[in-house]
Amino acid sequence: AQSVTQLGSHVSVSEGALVLLRCNYSSSVPPYLFWYVQYPNQGLQLLLKYTSAATLVKGINGFEAEFKKSETSFHLTKPSAHMSDAAEYFCAVSSSNTGKLIFGQGTTLQVKP
Amino acid sequence: DAMVIQNPRYQVTQFGKPVTLSCSQTLNHNVMYWYQQKSSQAPKLLFHYYDKDFNNEADTPDNFQSRRPNTSFCFLDIRSPGLGDAAMYLCATSRDLREETQYFGPGTRLLVL
Repeated sequence: AQSVTQLGSHVSVSEGALVLLRCNYSSSVPPYLFWYVQYPNQGLQLLLKYTSAATLVKGINGFEAEFKKSETSFHLTKPSAHMSDAAEYFCAVSSSNTGKLIFGQGTTLQVKP
Repeated sequence: DAMVIQNPRYQVTQFGKPVTLSCSQTLNHNVMYWYQQKSSQAPKLLFHYYDKDFNNEADTPDNFQSRRPNTSFCFLDIRSPGLGDAAMYLCATSRDLREETQYFGPGTRLLVL
């Protein structure tokens, strides 16, 4: 069965600092992986998607993620945090059997001035 | 712009009083999903429609029903809301079931008094 684990339920960074949100997956087949962002009282917005075309995936708002098969990881990074990046971030894998999204537990990103 | 629309954004109902949440899409996607999201948790899939085919998750309570009268619209009916049903309800769409990006609406926040 496929699964996703996000390490760290809360991450706090200073404005301008590197953002690193960790995601590890478990899958016996090549996975389709997603990062979504959710602002308070909003729906989920797609940040980026890995589909095996390239291991480094660039997304919106300056975010990118690198697929590392050897580490079964798909960590999300941004070189310089903005106050507007404060939100909840979800990593997800698309089930190879059903296509359903399997979400991680979410990571709350706090950005301090 | 093509999008997923949810109405209302906030809904207050009374304990036991039926309530209907609405979702519409202009993406012409085949699949529509309903998720329940409680505070500080990942979204939980309730059911989905692939075209007119309804697929219920095994652990979705009977209290929750759905209708999809046409491609564009999908409704979530809660027959007898309990206090535990207070949550954010998210509608999402995708072109197909497998390996496809899901696009989320802004959500409806349900409060049960």
